[in-house]
Amino acid sequence: DADVTQTPRNRITKTGKRIMLECSQTKGHDRMYWYRQDPGLGLRLIYYSFDVKDINKGEISDGYSVSRQAQAKFSLSLESAIPNQTALYFCATSDFGYEQYFGPGTRLTVT
Amino acid sequence: AQTVTQSQPEMSVQEAETVTLSCTYDTSESDYYLFWYKQPPSRQMILVIRQEAYKQQNATENRFSVNFQKAAKSFSLKISDSQLGDAAMYFCAYRSLREGSNYKLTFGKGTLLTVNP
Repeated sequence: DADVTQTPRNRITKTGKRIMLECSQTKGHDRMYWYRQDPGLGLRLIYYSFDVKDINKGEISDGYSVSRQAQAKFSLSLESAIPNQTALYFCATSDFGYEQYFGPGTRLTVT
Repeated sequence: AQTVTQSQPEMSVQEAETVTLSCTYDTSESDYYLFWYKQPPSRQMILVIRQEAYKQQNATENRFSVNFQKAAKSFSLKISDSQLGDAAMYFCAYRSLREGSNYKLTFGKGTLLTVNP
C-alpha cells in the first residue's frame, strides 16, 4: 500500500461548490504539506502543519482552509470553488530528514 | 525569500545520450538542501537526487549526477545513458535549514524532458 494517499484522484466540480481533498499517511511523520501545481509554475505551498495543533499558511493560502484531524490525516478544503483553482494538488509528508514524500496528486477541475 | 530558476522549459535527448538540465537559485543562507524531482506522466513526484550544501562532493545516483557550484548558486542535473523511462518533467527544489524555517520546498517551474528513440 502507498505511504501517502490522496482522495479523490480526480474531481470535477462547479463554481461555488465546497470541496474537500483528503490526505492520509502511514509513514508516522509529523509534518504534512499541501502544494498546488499549475502548468509552467511548478509547485507552490498552500498550507503546512507540524502537528495536530500547528497549522500554518503557505504562500498561496487565500481561498483554502485545512484541517489536521490526526497525525495521519490532513485535509484541504475549498469553501467556494472558483475556476482559477483548477490545478493538480499534492499532499506531502516529512520527518526531520531530508526528503518530502508526495502523494499521487488530485486533479481538480472547477467549471 | 529563496527563488529557484529553471531556464529550460523543454529539453530533448536521444536515447543513450547525455543531457544536462540547468537550475540556479537565489539565497542568502549558507546551509540548505537542493533536490531534483522527477514527475512522469503518472504525475507522481519522485526524488531523483539530493545535495547538501555543506558537501563539496557532487551527489551521484546511478545514471544521475549533479554539478553543484555553491558560489555560482548553480545546481545542474546530468542524466547519462538516457532511457525512454527518463522522459518526464524535472523540478529543481530548495529547502532551507535555517532554524525556524518551515522545511518547505521551493520549486522551480520545471523542465520537460523528451527522450527520442
